[in-house]
Amino acid sequence: AQTVTQSQPEMSVQEAETVTLSCTYDTSESDYYLFWYKQPPSRQMILVIRQEAYKQQNATENRFSVNFQKAAKSFSLKISDSQLGDAAMYFCAYSNANAGKSTFGDGTTLTVKP
Amino acid sequence: DTGVSQNPRHKITKRGQNVTFRCDPISEHNRLYWYRQTLGQGPEFLTYFQNEAQLEKSRLLSDRFSAERPKGSFSTLEIQRTEQGDSAMYLCASSLVRYGYTFGSGTRLTVV
Repeated sequence: AQTVTQSQPEMSVQEAETVTLSCTYDTSESDYYLFWYKQPPSRQMILVIRQEAYKQQNATENRFSVNFQKAAKSFSLKISDSQLGDAAMYFCAYSNANAGKSTFGDGTTLTVKP
Repeated sequence: DTGVSQNPRHKITKRGQNVTFRCDPISEHNRLYWYRQTLGQGPEFLTYFQNEAQLEKSRLLSDRFSAERPKGSFSTLEIQRTEQGDSAMYLCASSLVRYGYTFGSGTRLTVV
């Protein structure tokens, strides 16, 4: 079974600075998808960024980018120019190639200090 | 399209009662998922549908849980004979194949 591990329960960053959230996963598949989701307090979860395992190029969405290391099974999220609105719980998730169910990590709570 | 809609937002029920939740997905999405989330943890997979077919159900899910998606549109999740351990946030999400999820706001269940 696939597992997703987020080793940082909590992280904090100063406004306008850069922060990196870590995620590792375990799978025997060669083709799969990885995601980062953001869940603000008492609000619904939203998709931040998506990476296809067969693509070597790291995905980027505005201030959000990933460092995908397939051999190391690592998928970290970098948030540049952090804003107060980035404060949330961030979840890393894995889906196999047919994109059925996703396996989620236990999340990292990000605090942004003004 | 107004996104994924879940009703009710909150449900308080007595132990032993049955409850039913509804999810209306984004109309263009052919996949619909149910997850359960407890405080401080990531969502845990329950089941998912492609159109009206239920393709997978978690082995951790007891027979008290059942889900339907008639005509491939909205979905319902029923929990029979609720237990205190069923207290959680129940999340619905929809997607197109190979894309990430669009989540609803969830239904918070409290069993007293």
